[in-house]
Amino acid sequence: AQRVTQPEKLLSVFKGAPVELKCNYSYSGSPELFWYVQYSRQRLQLLLRHISRESIKGFTADLNKGETSFHLKKPFAQEEDSAMYYCALREGAQKLVFGQGTRLTINP
Amino acid sequence: EPEVTQTPSHQVTQMGQEVILRCVPISNHLYFYWYRQILGQKVEFLVSFYNNEISEKSEIFDDQFSVERPDGSNFTLKIRSTKLEDSAMYFCASSTGETQYFGPGTRLLVL
Repeated sequence: AQRVTQPEKLLSVFKGAPVELKCNYSYSGSPELFWYVQYSRQRLQLLLRHISRESIKGFTADLNKGETSFHLKKPFAQEEDSAMYYCALREGAQKLVFGQGTRLTINP
Repeated sequence: EPEVTQTPSHQVTQMGQEVILRCVPISNHLYFYWYRQILGQKVEFLVSFYNNEISEKSEIFDDQFSVERPDGSNFTLKIRSTKLEDSAMYFCASSTGETQYFGPGTRLLVL
């Protein structure tokens, strides 16, 4: 079965510090990977997807097929980045397989 | 900006009762999904629906579950006889085939 692993349940950094949320995957084909974010009391929303290779809210993520990773990075954390972050992989035509999620807290 | 909506936001039911969770997908979307998240666990795929039929379902989606698009706007998940372990947050999502947009969820508690 395809799997998505987010090794850190909790991550706490200070405002202005760099952030890296880790995501590793196992997939037999060509993966399509996403980061979703859930701010407090809000719905899951797409943050970015690897095929678009864009930066959203200062976040980037690069697909590393050799390391089977899709880590999410931001050079300077802001307090409004505090949220739950989920890495997800599209399996087959439509199904999303999610990681456990990482709760990111940005300390002032 | 259009959003997926879900009702009710919370539902409490007795074990063995039937529940229907409702979703209104984004209007021009053709693919619909249900996911669930048991407290403290991963978001898990239940089922996808396209062209008025189930396109994929997980092993969780057994005979107790069914989905329906009863009209042009609603998409429902029915649990025929709820069990304690069905207590979870249920998310509906819709897409045009690309990005999946999620609803706010229905928190179901089975007593």
